Amino acid sequence: AQSVTQLDSQVPVFEEAPVELRCNYSSSVSVYLFWYVQYPNQGLQLLLKYLSGSTLVKGINGFEAEFNKSQTSFHLRKPSVHISDTAEYFCAVSGLSETSGSRLTFGEGTQLTVNP
Amino acid sequence: DGGITQSPKYLFRKEGQNVTLSCEQNLNHDAMYWYRQDPGQGLRLIYYSQIVNDFQKGDIAEGYSVSREKKESFPLTVTSAQKNPTAFYLCASSRDSYQETQYFGPGTRLLVL
Repeated sequence: AQSVTQLDSQVPVFEEAPVELRCNYSSSVSVYLFWYVQYPNQGLQLLLKYLSGSTLVKGINGFEAEFNKSQTSFHLRKPSVHISDTAEYFCAVSGLSETSGSRLTFGEGTQLTVNP
Repeated sequence: DGGITQSPKYLFRKEGQNVTLSCEQNLNHDAMYWYRQDPGQGLRLIYYSQIVNDFQKGDIAEGYSVSREKKESFPLTVTSAQKNPTAFYLCASSRDSYQETQYFGPGTRLLVL
């Protein structure tokens, strides 16, 4: 079985400050990791993903994330946030199992609020 | 434009009524998924389909049914057996394998009258 824990349900920051949204995962198989963003009353949009290779992954809108296998973490960072980054962010893990085939498991989400 | 469409945007259900949520994709993706989103609970998988005419239950399939008669369509029926259907429902699709990105539709909000 696989699971995802997003350690902060809400993160308030001021505009132009750096931010880190934390994500830890557990899985018994090799994993692929994703960060999605959701704006109010909309679907999810992919920010970035880690499949293999370099552990530092760059995504859209200036976000990046680092895969740390020993700590089973995939934290999302941005050096300077904007008001428009206010949204809910979801970490997700994908893994293949005999019983469930291929599927994504999502964390509970982190609401990022950027204040002026 | 390629993408996923969901309709309607808002749906109201009366007691004892079955309602069907539409999901259509023109991305030529093999796999399609239905998720339910409740505040503070993230997304939970209801059903998924990896190929036409085949689908599997997710974590919370009770009270829901699906069909996959065409590659581009994956409708979800919320039956009267689902006692707490009020939620935001998201449909997604992906090319095939598990490392592929899932692309999401805009969602349908279901409310009970």
